[in-house]
Amino acid sequence: KAGVTQTPRYLIKTRGQQVTLSCSPISGHRSVSWYQQTPGQGLQFLFEYFSETQRNKGNFPGRFSGRQFSNSRSEMNVSTLELGDSALYLCASSLLGGGETQYFGPGTRLLVL
Amino acid sequence: DAKTTQPTSMDCAEGRAANLPCNHSTISGNEYVYWYRQIHSQGPQYIIHGLKNNETNEMASLIITEDRKSSTLILPHATLRDTAVYYCIVRVAEGSSNTGKLIFGQGTTLQVKP
Repeated sequence: KAGVTQTPRYLIKTRGQQVTLSCSPISGHRSVSWYQQTPGQGLQFLFEYFSETQRNKGNFPGRFSGRQFSNSRSEMNVSTLELGDSALYLCASSLLGGGETQYFGPGTRLLVL
Repeated sequence: DAKTTQPTSMDCAEGRAANLPCNHSTISGNEYVYWYRQIHSQGPQYIIHGLKNNETNEMASLIITEDRKSSTLILPHATLRDTAVYYCIVRVAEGSSNTGKLIFGQGTTLQVKP
């Protein structure tokens, strides 16, 4: 079974632009969670989607948003990029969310100049 | 904040067992202990999890103390490819509003040396 895939793997943007990242979960998994990893803050939870609904949200500004499609694929969007948004963005999928094991993708590395 | 405490770094000789400790003194009765590892800039890899009994799979063993306040991840025969950051995570209880959320601490950097 294929793992979690994320596209693109690398991205360079400039301040003020917006970016959309994509995540395809493991086949059959319906929950997708997003995380941001930076050297200073470590791995931090952004949000979780299940059945096209945001079920949980971390402590990030409204510039960070996401959505999930009927096939469980998810996208996250960051508007008005700031230098501090440079990070590794990871998504993880699980069968139904809740207390189940999450499996991570390889991540998208975003550099904001 | 993370509910776990881990040493910042550890070394292990190749071929020897690596024993990674984790303290989680405030763990609740229905919270699981999860272990993930992250090899440089890749996505975290799930290793193992447990509730109260010891667990073993093809990658590792997880030993949880009887009072559940600490645990140890054991890699029985460490190889150079096991060099990574290892995260011990207490999973937020099922049924709460935060079940889809993993809270990562700083983890333990394990360096396996030849």
